[in-house]
Amino acid sequence: ETGVTQTPRHLVMGMTNKKSLKCEQHLGHNAMYWYKQSAKKPLELMFVYNFKEQTENNSVPSRFSPECPNSSHLFLHLHTLQPEDSALYLCASSQEWTAEIQYFGAGTRLSVL
Amino acid sequence: EDQVTQSPEALRLQEGESSSLNCSYTVSGLRGLFWYRQDPGKGPEFLFTLYSAGEEKEKERLKATLTKKESFLHITAPKPEDSATYLCAVQAGSSASKIIFGSGTRLSIRP
Repeated sequence: ETGVTQTPRHLVMGMTNKKSLKCEQHLGHNAMYWYKQSAKKPLELMFVYNFKEQTENNSVPSRFSPECPNSSHLFLHLHTLQPEDSALYLCASSQEWTAEIQYFGAGTRLSVL
Repeated sequence: EDQVTQSPEALRLQEGESSSLNCSYTVSGLRGLFWYRQDPGKGPEFLFTLYSAGEEKEKERLKATLTKKESFLHITAPKPEDSATYLCAVQAGSSASKIIFGSGTRLSIRP
C-alpha cells in the first residue's frame, strides 16, 4: 500500500462517453500528478498540482480536464476520447512540487472503444 | 534535447546470475536521477535517488551507480521476486515538469 489510491482500477468507455478518474492520497503531500503510461513508451507527465493550483500542463488535449479540490484529492475528467487514449493512467504525489520522490497509485487501465 | 535511454529493453536471467541495467541520459543541469521498480498491475515504486557522479546507493541485492552520462543498476544474485520492470528517470530542473522517464527494462528471473 503506497498511500495513493486510484479508482476505478479498470474503465471501458465509448468515444462519446464522459467519465472521471479519481485519486486520493493519505500521505499529507502537497503536490499531485497525472501520468499516462502507454505500452512500450515512457511515462508521460500530464498535469502537476501544487497546493491545489495547477502548475504544469504538458500540452495535454482539452478532452482531458483535471480537477484538484484539495491537496488530497485529484480527478481527471474524460470526454470524447479517442482510441489512442487507451492507456494506464497513473496518479502520484510528492511532499513538494520539486518532486524528488514520487509515490504512485496502482493506476486506472482505460480502454476507449 | 533532454533524453533518457534504457537498455536492454528486456533481460532474462537465471536465479543467481548477476547483471546490470543501463540508463543513459542527455540532460542539461542534472538535478537528480531516480530508479523505480514497477510490478505488473501496479504503479512505480521508488528505489533510489542519485545526485552526483560517483555516488552509489544499495538496497538488498540492488546497487545503483551514477556517472556524468549514465547510471547502472547492478543486480547481484537475483531471485525470482526481483522480476519487474525497472524505470529510470532524470530531473533536469527544480520543476516537476522537467522529469523525464526512460522506457524501462523488463527483468525476468528464472528459478
